[in-house]
Order: sequence, then structure tokens, then C-alpha cells
Amino acid sequence: AQSVTQLDSQVPVFEEAPVELRCNYSSSVSVYLFWYVQYPNQGLQLLLKYLSGSTLVKGINGFEAEFNKSQTSFHLRKPSVHISDTAEYFCAVTPGGATNKLIFGTGTLLAVQP
Amino acid sequence: DAGVTQSPTHLIKTRGQQVTLRCSPKSGHDTVSWYQQALGQGPQFIFQYYEEEERQRGNFPDRFSGHQFPNYSSELNVNALLLGDSALYLCASSPVSSYNEQFFGPGTRLTVL
Repeated sequence: AQSVTQLDSQVPVFEEAPVELRCNYSSSVSVYLFWYVQYPNQGLQLLLKYLSGSTLVKGINGFEAEFNKSQTSFHLRKPSVHISDTAEYFCAVTPGGATNKLIFGTGTLLAVQP
Repeated sequence: DAGVTQSPTHLIKTRGQQVTLRCSPKSGHDTVSWYQQALGQGPQFIFQYYEEEERQRGNFPDRFSGHQFPNYSSELNVNALLLGDSALYLCASSPVSSYNEQFFGPGTRLTVL
């Protein structure tokens, strides 16, 4: 069965500094990978997705992620964060095929400080 | 174009009661999924509806049931509420042409006392 691990429950960072949020997945089959962001008291918004092709994926708000099949990782990066990036970030995987149900990690709180 | 909408926004119930949550998918979407997000956790897949039938189900008891209507809107019903059912319930819909991308609604916050 697929699973997603987000090792960092919280990542504090100063404004304008770079950040990386880590995500590892376990799966014996090809998967599709996603990063979602959740602002306080809101639903989930898709940041970016990897379905196939280039392993470097660019998303909204200046975020990007790199798919590494050998390390089963899909880390999220941003070169310079803003206060407004403070939110909970979820990595998710779907096995594809006939289903698009999402399996989520436990989330990482990105706390941007001035 | 309205996105995914859910009602109500908040709900307070007592143990043993029953609750119904509603979801309207984004225009053009025919598949609706429901997720439960407990405090401090990632969302957990409950089930998915397509063409008015439950297509896939996660590891949730039969107390959780659902329905999809001909206009693709959906309901989530939970019977015999437990304290542990307190959570944010998220609805997500998928476009016809890209079933791997799900769009989420703002959620319904259910509190069971």
C-alpha cells in the first residue's frame, strides 16, 4: 500500500530565505504526486503536481518540486519565502489507474518569520 | 465560475446523533470524493462517487454513507456520531478530462460533543 511521509511537522524560516519541505513516498507501482497548501480555516489548494515527464515541476506562488524516483522523494522548494507563505503544506500520492483517491502525509507547517 | 462549495460551514452535534453534509462540485466535474481531516492530521479518504454510485471506499465504518445526485452534487451522512468523528470534512471534485486532479471545497467543521 502507498504511504507518504513528511518528516518535518514544522519548519520555521525567516522571510526571504529559501526553504525545502521534504516528502518521501512508498509505492511499488508508478504514482502521481501532488503538493497542496492549506491556509488557516480553508480547504486545500493545489500547488503543483507530477504526472510524468520532466522531474522538475513548477507550481504556483514560486514553488517547485523535484521528483526523484530512486530516492522515492518529492521535495518542495522555494528560493525566497514571504510572510504570506505561512500555511500547512501537504504532500499526497495517488496510484493512478482507475482511481484518483489521494493519500496524504501528515503535513508540514511552514512558519515564516519577519 | 464557482468552485467546490460545501454546506454548512460549521456544525455542532451530540454523540449518537446523525449528520448530513452537502457538496456541490465545480462546474463540469462528475466525480466527488470525501475526506476527513482530524485536527493536526492530513486528510483521510472516505469514499468517492461517480455516476451516482460509490466507486471506491477508504477504511471507514458503515456509519459513513453517501449519495450522489443526477446533478453530480453529493451528500455525506454519518450515523451514531462519536466524539472521534469531530473533524473537518472536505469534499473534492474532479474534472471529466483529468481525473487525477482534485479541487477541494472549504470544508465543513463538525464538532461532536
